[in-house]
Order: sequence, then C-alpha cells, then structure tokens
Amino acid sequence: QLQLQESGPGLMKPSQTLSLTCTVSGGSISSTTYYWSWIRQHPGKGLEWIAYFYYGGYTHYNPSLKSRVTISADTSKNQVFLKVNSMTAADTAVYYCARQIHGSGSYPFDHWGQGTLVTVSS
Amino acid sequence: QSALTQPASVSASPGQSITISCTGTNSDIGNYNYVSWYQQHPGKAPTLMIYDVTKRPSGVSNRFSGSKSGNTASLTISGLQAEDESDYYCSSYTSTTTSVIFGGGTKLTVL
Repeated sequence: QLQLQESGPGLMKPSQTLSLTCTVSGGSISSTTYYWSWIRQHPGKGLEWIAYFYYGGYTHYNPSLKSRVTISADTSKNQVFLKVNSMTAADTAVYYCARQIHGSGSYPFDHWGQGTLVTVSS
Repeated sequence: QSALTQPASVSASPGQSITISCTGTNSDIGNYNYVSWYQQHPGKAPTLMIYDVTKRPSGVSNRFSGSKSGNTASLTISGLQAEDESDYYCSSYTSTTTSVIFGGGTKLTVL
C-alpha cells in the first residue's frame, strides 16, 4: 500500500529557507509511471501546484514560484525534497506531497500525504 | 484569484442531486479533456474522484460523474449522502504553463 509522509520544520521565520521531505513507501519514485509533486494549500484557501520530480531527474515548476523553489530526490532513500527560499508569511500553508499519474492528460494526483503545516512568523 | 472558477458553495438535501461547475478558458478546459475533481474533508488531504473529465478511479462511487461543455466542466453527485458534505476542487491541464491549475473550491452542504 502506497504511503507518502511529509516532514518539515513546522514554524519558521521570514527570509529563511524551507526544507521539506516526502518519504515514499510501498512504491518506487523511480517508476516511469508517476511524477512526484508538491502542492500547497493556504489556510482556508484552494490548492496550488508547486513542482514535480520525474524519473531520471526531470523537474517542472509552477512559473509563479520557480525563482524560489527547488525540487529534488534521493532515489536510494525513496525521498522527494522541496526547498523554498526567502519564505514570507504569504508562504504559510499546508504542504502536501502527492503522486501524479504520468500518461494521463489530466495528470491526476491519485495519492496524497497527510500534509504538513508550515507557519512563517517573526 | 484562482485560475478556474467554481461557485463558493452549493447545498441540497439527502437523496437529491447537485452539480458543481468549473469554468476555465480555451487554454485549459476548453481545449483539453484533462479535468480532474477532488474531494477534501476538513483537515484531510484531497481525494481523487474524477479524472480525464469522466473517469472514476477504482473505489469511487458511481454516484459521482463528470462532464464538460465548452470551457466549463461539471461534477454531478447523485443520491446525496451526509458523507458527501465536503469541499470539492476541480483541476485542469493548462497549455499556458504546461502544468495543472486548480479551482478555488466549492463547499457542499448536505442539509
């Protein structure tokens, strides 16, 4: 059974760099069938796709965040990482890790982690 | 402001049917059959309900169905049950950024 588990700092100060880890079990992030994405949800708001990582190291970013975001992975540990630079209060959100189906035009997110709340406050 | 437009809320009684709309543009919904729908209960992660406009993942009730006309996609839930009370989000592939965009979400209340 596939499971995704996010981990992160919880609370951070403005201007710091956010580092998140998504640990995947029950499936391999080296699969050519799936992308591995980060998505965030501001409190009480909608969903925003941030970036995805794909087999072989291919990455793709939301243009609105691309200048501050880096996605990467360690296939030996089956982990996907997200770094966001220059965090502000506007980046306060629940950050989700999700599996995205490659080969389906909708690129649907069929499995999600439980999410980790990141709060930016001085 | 979200890229896709959804009504903020809809409500209906148990047993009734509801339809949630999701309006985009020719860069997304209008030109691609690449719409998905997600259900999100409070404090939980979203769950995929519909993809590629009309397809249901294994395990999703056939009370949930999707459709599309022009730049607007729709999610219909028939035979409403109390457990359907939730937030629903649409998403679509967009050629503008070659990625996925979401709607702002619709809160469904089962009266």
